[in-house]
Amino acid sequence: EIVLTQSPGTLSLSPGERATLSCRASQSVSSSYLAWYQQKPGQVPRLLIYDASSRATGIPDRFSGSGSGIDFTLTISRLEPEDFAVYYCHQYGSLPRTFGQGTKVEIK
Amino acid sequence: QVQLQESGPGLVKPSQTLSLTCTVSGDSISSRTYYWGWIRQPAGKGLEWIGRIYPSGSTDYNPSLKSRVTISLDTSKNQYSLNLRSVNAADTAVYYCAANLRYWGQGTLVTVSS
Repeated sequence: EIVLTQSPGTLSLSPGERATLSCRASQSVSSSYLAWYQQKPGQVPRLLIYDASSRATGIPDRFSGSGSGIDFTLTISRLEPEDFAVYYCHQYGSLPRTFGQGTKVEIK
Repeated sequence: QVQLQESGPGLVKPSQTLSLTCTVSGDSISSRTYYWGWIRQPAGKGLEWIGRIYPSGSTDYNPSLKSRVTISLDTSKNQYSLNLRSVNAADTAVYYCAANLRYWGQGTLVTVSS
C-alpha cells in the first residue's frame, strides 16, 4: 500500500499569499496518477488536479499541480477567501487507492 | 454529467450489516466510461477508499476491509450497493459514492450504535 504523507499539517496564510502544499509517497506513484481534492466543512471533496498537473473542469488557473515519482506539490498562486479549506492528495496508480491525511489551509 | 445519490439507514447496530445504495443518473451504470466507488470519512478525519466496481462486475477492495465488504451492481435500477458486515463504532462515518473519484454523491452519515 502506498502511504501518502502531506505537509504541513496546517498552513496559516493571508489572502493574496502563495500556498505550497506537499504530498510525499512511500513509493513511486505509477504514471503520476496523483490527484488533489479540496474539501470545505460540510461539503463534498472537489477534484482540483488529476494526473499530477491537469486541472479539472472549472478549476481556476491559480491552482497548479506538479511533481512525479514520490514528490508532488499543489500550489495556489494567490489565495482567495474561498480557498481556505482542507486539501487531500490521492494516488490512483496502484491498489488500494489511498489518500493523504490532509493539509488545512487556514486564514492567518 | 453523471450524478450520484447515496441512500440507506443512518443508524446501524453493532455486529449488523451496513447497507447503502448509490443511485446514478445522467448515464448508464453499464457505461464503460466509469467505475463506481465507495469512500468514507469519519467525523473530523480523512478519506478512506473502500472499494470499487466496474460495469463488468469486477471489484477491488481495500485490504483493510476486504473480509467484510461487498460492492454490487443493479443495472435494472441503475444503482450500485455497499454492504459492510459486522460493523462496530469505528465504521461510523460519512459514506460517499463516486464515479471515477471525479463525481461524488453528497454523502450519507451512518452511525453505528446500539
